[in-house]
Amino acid sequence: DGGITQSPKYLFRKEGQNVTLSCEQNLNHDAMYWYRQDPGQGLRLIYYSQIVNDFQKGDIAEGYSVSREKKESFPLTVTSAQKNPTAFYLCASSIAWDYSNQPQHFGDGTRLSIL
Amino acid sequence: QKEVEQDPGPLSVPEGAIVSLNCTYSNSAFQYFMWYRQYSRKGPELLMYTYSSGNKEDGRFTAQVDKSSKYISLFIRDSQPSDSATYLCAMSAYSGTYKYIFGTGTRLKVLA
Repeated sequence: DGGITQSPKYLFRKEGQNVTLSCEQNLNHDAMYWYRQDPGQGLRLIYYSQIVNDFQKGDIAEGYSVSREKKESFPLTVTSAQKNPTAFYLCASSIAWDYSNQPQHFGDGTRLSIL
Repeated sequence: QKEVEQDPGPLSVPEGAIVSLNCTYSNSAFQYFMWYRQYSRKGPELLMYTYSSGNKEDGRFTAQVDKSSKYISLFIRDSQPSDSATYLCAMSAYSGTYKYIFGTGTRLKVLA
């Protein structure tokens, strides 16, 4: 079955620690996205990637970093510079970035908490 | 003013009721409209996808778009307890740059 796999489901971060969230898709989609979901605030875009070896900052990129070395994979690192990392993180993909007629599809998220 | 407004609820209805969920938006460039269903501790699942004004039906779900009023709706007929979830509207446009935005979600509870 094609889909998006996020791991782990739950993650805990200590002070000063960087943590990496995994996102893998087998939909053959070019575009991938990372969102942060907080209660009452909807989904906010952290980073997106239109194609392999390319990525762009979204609305709330500070304290986060990404890489896109393979089409299937788009890991997100939450750095120690992100002072309020507790949230539900969602990875999404779509056929192509600028195909506004193609919807985004989501993984099942990673919940990150501070220890 | 937010580009998309969605009542957060919660909305509680008895089983079998017709549910109406709504979003309003301000940017007339939006052309494609989506509804996602999100169960607790899960990712959003694409439920309905529409383009242009009018209705689209899929089983118990009907999506309605009124571009002149910048208003979209999702109707759920014969609601079931398994419909209890948060429903997010989303819309997209490409007008020089790609834009894909979400409402904050409406929490729905269908009571058995």
